[in-house]
Order: sequence, then structure tokens, then C-alpha cells
Amino acid sequence: GAGVSQSPSNKVTEKGKDVELRCDPISGHTALYWYRQSLGQGLEFLIYFQGNSAPDKSGLPSDRFSAERTGGSVSTLTIQRTQQEDSAVYLCASSHRDKEANTQYFGPGTRLTVL
Amino acid sequence: GNSVTQMEGPVTLSEEAFLTINCTYTATGYPSLFWYVQYPGEGLQLLLKATKADDKGSNKGFEATYRKETTSFHLEKGSVQVSDSAVYFCALSEPGGFKTIFGAGTRLFVKA
Repeated sequence: GAGVSQSPSNKVTEKGKDVELRCDPISGHTALYWYRQSLGQGLEFLIYFQGNSAPDKSGLPSDRFSAERTGGSVSTLTIQRTQQEDSAVYLCASSHRDKEANTQYFGPGTRLTVL
Repeated sequence: GNSVTQMEGPVTLSEEAFLTINCTYTATGYPSLFWYVQYPGEGLQLLLKATKADDKGSNKGFEATYRKETTSFHLEKGSVQVSDSAVYFCALSEPGGFKTIFGAGTRLFVKA
């Protein structure tokens, strides 16, 4: 079946602009995660959604970052007033806790470059 | 809080050498443990996992055993290939929850 998809694959923006990154999880997966991977770095947890529960936003680095998940499926990560330090690859993953021990399936990522 | 610590890289090996990448964790209860791999230019994908103590996960010649007594999940392969060059991430999934915590990643270079 279809995997996790993300769009756009690349985004170049100017400092101060807002950007929206989209994630389509695997159908039926109840959990959705956003991570940030800076060049040569590990994964930085940003936020996750599980079903209808309140999201865990503990990893969002500032109030410029927000995310929503509509209808328990597609998610959008929004970064307002982008800064150069926001440049990174943003990864989305989905999982189904009750199956596969919460194995996460990752999308290809969105590479964000802030000029 | 829960955490994952893995050996720093990069690790450089010759083809057919033995590989060990150390991973230790701190967690309450019994988390599930994972190794994910990121090949150059590709996204992360699951390599192997173990869900309870003494379980051994294996895939593509890689193995890791869930050691509760030493809180470890070291990744091993008996004979690496150039195609194994990648970044390897150790991770744990909190018991009863959804949050997954990743280690910093270990970059492996295998020379022909």
C-alpha cells in the first residue's frame, strides 16, 4: 500500500515568511509524528498526534511552530516568521500502536531552506 | 526521563569487518527497542526491533538483543558490506505510550 507522503519535497523561502508543510500518513495509522533533522544531526522530536487525544507539543522549539491534524489523517506543520536556523529536513512518520509495537513509518521529508 | 545513548561516529570499517554499534537506554518499565537506518539520500526505515527482554531482532544480517539487565540493545553484524554505509539510529518506544525517543545516530562508512 501507499506509504507516508510529504509535500513539498523541497521548500526555499525568505526569512520572515510563513511556510506550511504537509504530511499524509498511512491509512489506518492512529499516530502521527513530526521530527526535525538538521544537517548531520539526529532526530529532534517536535510533536505527535494520537487519535482524538490532545497532541503532545512538548518538542516544538518556539511558538512560531504549530501543527494540526484534520480528521485524524492529514497533518500540516506551520512555521511562522521563518528564521535561518529553521533550515532542516522535516520528517513525518505514522504508526499504529496496537500493531507492530509502534513501529514508525517515515515519509521522505521536506527539505526547508530559509535564505 | 527516558533516553537513548548510542556510540558516536563516524565508524569506519573495511568490507567484511565485524560491526558493533553500542546503544544503551534509560526507561521505566519495558519499552520496545528499535534500530532504524537511513541510507544516503533516503528516508529512515526500520531495520529491526525487539519488544521484550531477551528478544533478538534480526534483519539483513544485523542482530540486536534486548538486554534488560544492562539496559542495552547493541547492533551487530558479522561481515559488513559497502552497501551498509548509512546512519543508524537506536530508538525506544515508551511502554504504554506513543512517544519514540531516538539516539543521535551513528554514521557508518564501509570501505571496499
